[in-house]
Amino acid sequence: EDKVVQSPLSLVVHEGDTVTLNCSYEVTNFRSLLWYKQEKKAPTFLFMLTSSGIEKKSGRLSSILDKKELFSILNITATQTGDSAVYLCAAHNTGTASKLTFGTGTRLQVTL
Amino acid sequence: DTAVSQTPKYLVTQMGNDKSIKCEQNLGHDTMYWYKQDSKKFLKIMFSYNNKELIINETVPNRFSPKSPDKAHLNLHINSLELGDSAVYFCASSQGVWGQRTYEQYFGPGTRLTVT
Repeated sequence: EDKVVQSPLSLVVHEGDTVTLNCSYEVTNFRSLLWYKQEKKAPTFLFMLTSSGIEKKSGRLSSILDKKELFSILNITATQTGDSAVYLCAAHNTGTASKLTFGTGTRLQVTL
Repeated sequence: DTAVSQTPKYLVTQMGNDKSIKCEQNLGHDTMYWYKQDSKKFLKIMFSYNNKELIINETVPNRFSPKSPDKAHLNLHINSLELGDSAVYFCASSQGVWGQRTYEQYFGPGTRLTVT
């Protein structure tokens, strides 16, 4: 069965800290890995990673995929209270049963 | 200009009742999904439709029946509601055929279902 595991499950940091969130996956016919941010309501898309070793960056957030070791990391530098959310990663597999398999998420709380 | 909308946002009902949740997307996407998110925030795919055709049905009890009248709408009907059905249900959509290429999924605001 396809599986996505995120760590840590939760994290409390001070504003200005840098955090690294981890995502490992075991997915048949893996195609891409996606990161989402979920605050109070719907998950919102952050990154899609398909190739190994190529960093995707958006402001203070960046992410990279390692297809050999089957993991991805999401980095957030100079964290702000607005970064507080649950961060979800999801693996996409190709084929007839193509779907996103989500991890359980990392709950990040940024305090003043 | 809501991209993916769901109604209702909250639904409180008693065990044994039948209820429906509606979803509409105005993005022109071909593929729509229903997800269930439990109290631990675990998001799990239930159904996927492409151009009104069912693609994925992830071992969901047959009390759950999705219906897609057109590619912009995917409704979820639930019969004989049980306590364990309490969760947040998210609708999502993506462009293209969800297969060899990965497309970003856009999520609706969710429907919080509470079964008492």
